[in-house]
Amino acid sequence: GEDVEQSLFLSVREGDSSVINCTYTDSSSTYLYWYKQEPGAGLQLLTYIFSNMDMKQDQRLTVLLNKKDKHLSLRIADTQTGDSAIYFCAENSGSSNTGKLIFGQGTTLQVKP
Amino acid sequence: EAGVAQSPRYKIIEKRQSVAFWCNPISGHATLYWYQQILGQGPKLLIQFQNNGVVDDSQLPKDRFSAERLKGVDSTLKIQPAKLEDSAVYLCASSLAGNNEQFFGPGTRLTVL
Repeated sequence: GEDVEQSLFLSVREGDSSVINCTYTDSSSTYLYWYKQEPGAGLQLLTYIFSNMDMKQDQRLTVLLNKKDKHLSLRIADTQTGDSAIYFCAENSGSSNTGKLIFGQGTTLQVKP
Repeated sequence: EAGVAQSPRYKIIEKRQSVAFWCNPISGHATLYWYQQILGQGPKLLIQFQNNGVVDDSQLPKDRFSAERLKGVDSTLKIQPAKLEDSAVYLCASSLAGNNEQFFGPGTRLTVL
């Protein structure tokens, strides 16, 4: 079945890099996503990667995709206190082709000043 | 551009009562999604509409949950009767079409006592 796993918690110091990891099971997914959720707010799309790419960079964000190992990571350079939030990895359900997203359980990022 | 609107933001009810949530998607977005996010978990898709037709409701507990999008714009999600395990944040999202970026509303936090 389709499943997405993430570590639950990451704590870093301001200015350090953060790396959030995710594993997924559906090899037919065409897109993989990273969403950010701040307290009391909905989900905000941070970035996404197409499954035939292995890296994507967008300002402070770098996404790495290892399709063989079904492993996705999000690196945030120069992490700021405003980056404190829950980060969700998601894959689109390749089997359904309807845009249905399968989310991980989220990684809480704590940034200490 | 106005985002996805949801109301109410918070609702507290007792078990066995009924409750309804409302969502107004971004103008022009044909696809509308309802997700359930239980505390500590990632969002789980309940139902997906394409205009006023249902695309996927495979994870909707149909004995107690119902949803409609009669004119292909606004949508309502109803729970009748509510159970304790229905306590969650209900997120609405919309996209231009399936497989496009999904934009999320702020969610409705439901507490069932």
